[in-house]
Amino acid sequence: QAVVTQEPSLTVSPGGTVTLTCGSSSGAVTSGHWPYWFQQKSGQAPRTLIYDVSNRHPWTPARFSGSLLGGKAALTLSGAQPEDEAVYHCLVSYGDAWVFGGGTKLTVL
Amino acid sequence: QVQLVQSGAEVKKPGASVKVSCKVSGYTRNGLHWVRQAPGQRLEWIGKINSGDGKTLYSQTFQGRVAITRDTSANIAYMELSSLRSEDTTLYYCTTQMGGNLYWGQGTPLTVST
Repeated sequence: QAVVTQEPSLTVSPGGTVTLTCGSSSGAVTSGHWPYWFQQKSGQAPRTLIYDVSNRHPWTPARFSGSLLGGKAALTLSGAQPEDEAVYHCLVSYGDAWVFGGGTKLTVL
Repeated sequence: QVQLVQSGAEVKKPGASVKVSCKVSGYTRNGLHWVRQAPGQRLEWIGKINSGDGKTLYSQTFQGRVAITRDTSANIAYMELSSLRSEDTTLYYCTTQMGGNLYWGQGTPLTVST
């Protein structure tokens, strides 16, 4: 069973840019892993921001973008806002099985 | 629109079993997954059941201790976890995927305590 790894915590200044990554112990994360990114705030269920590497939903602010970077899935936030402070989870699919990353606590400070 | 409504909070003793339900409203042709999350911790995938053939797939972490079943006539899925221990005290979600989005139940808290 693969282990999916994320940065435990990151800090970004308001208006700044930060990239969160999602790596797999079984090798490179590719489009065939259909990576998702979720935002979760305290007491709430996760909300999908990005699916299948880079696809946004209508509710996903344009400042969030997804990509593959150096064998990992990546979530880039450009122009951070105070309301972006949250925990971000990635999800990697291995066939029908899912593995979540450990989550990245993003602080906007 | 897909809606998932889970059964209420559970309190169990160590060694017991728990069965959590998830009623699905709205059309979904994708499988129903179970995920758990302790406060401030990572999301942990437990397993899934296919909507078509009812086949199941479980995380190795829970293999042998979990059973996911369904009642297709009532559109309800169940997750039964046995041999409960204190580390199973956490929030359990059902979730399904459609159109690139994950729809979540409201969560069922489980407390395992003597």
